[in-house]
Amino acid sequence: GAGVSQTPSNKVTEKGKYVELRCDPISGHTALYWYRQSLGQGPEFLIYFQGTGAADDSGLPNDRFFAVRPEGSVSTLKIQRTERGDSAVYLCASSLGLRVSNTQYFGPGTRLTVL
Amino acid sequence: AQSVSQHNHHVILSEAASLELGCNYSYGGTVNLFWYVQYPGQHLQLLLKYFSGDPLVKGIKGFEAEFIKSKFSFNLRKPSVQWSDTAEYFCAVNPTNFGNEKLTFGTGTRLTIIP
Repeated sequence: GAGVSQTPSNKVTEKGKYVELRCDPISGHTALYWYRQSLGQGPEFLIYFQGTGAADDSGLPNDRFFAVRPEGSVSTLKIQRTERGDSAVYLCASSLGLRVSNTQYFGPGTRLTVL
Repeated sequence: AQSVSQHNHHVILSEAASLELGCNYSYGGTVNLFWYVQYPGQHLQLLLKYFSGDPLVKGIKGFEAEFIKSKFSFNLRKPSVQWSDTAEYFCAVNPTNFGNEKLTFGTGTRLTIIP
């Protein structure tokens, strides 16, 4: 079956602009996660959805970052007033959402470059 | 908060050599442990995971890892590496307490296999 998909694969924007990054999880997965991976680092947690609600948004760095998942499937990560420090690969993952099977499957990521 | 340390940043081996990549975590409670691999140009893939039971877990492609609770370690091993094992390897931890779903990753180890 299809894996997690993310669009766009690359996004170049200018400092101060608004961007949206999209994630399409594996069908039937109720849990969805966003991570950010900077160069030379491991992925860092941003936010986790169970269904439509954000169960844990403790990793969002500040209020310029926001994510939604209105119908419990596709999610959009929104970044306002982008800064050069936001440049990174943004990863999305999904899982069945069951504690006993909390294996997260990752998408290919969106590489965001803020000029 | 939990953290994960991968002390080997870059490992270079010849084909058929044995591999051991270190992973240590800091967290006082029980955890789920994971190794993910990222091959060049591909997305993160699960290599193996430990939830409970036998501390020696076997994953795909001949990899295994041993959970040593007293040492807070989950080292990855392979008896004989191949050129195709060239990739970046990430260790990750997830506390088992209910409601905490996020993965905390190490900084990764880049493995280069010389033919």
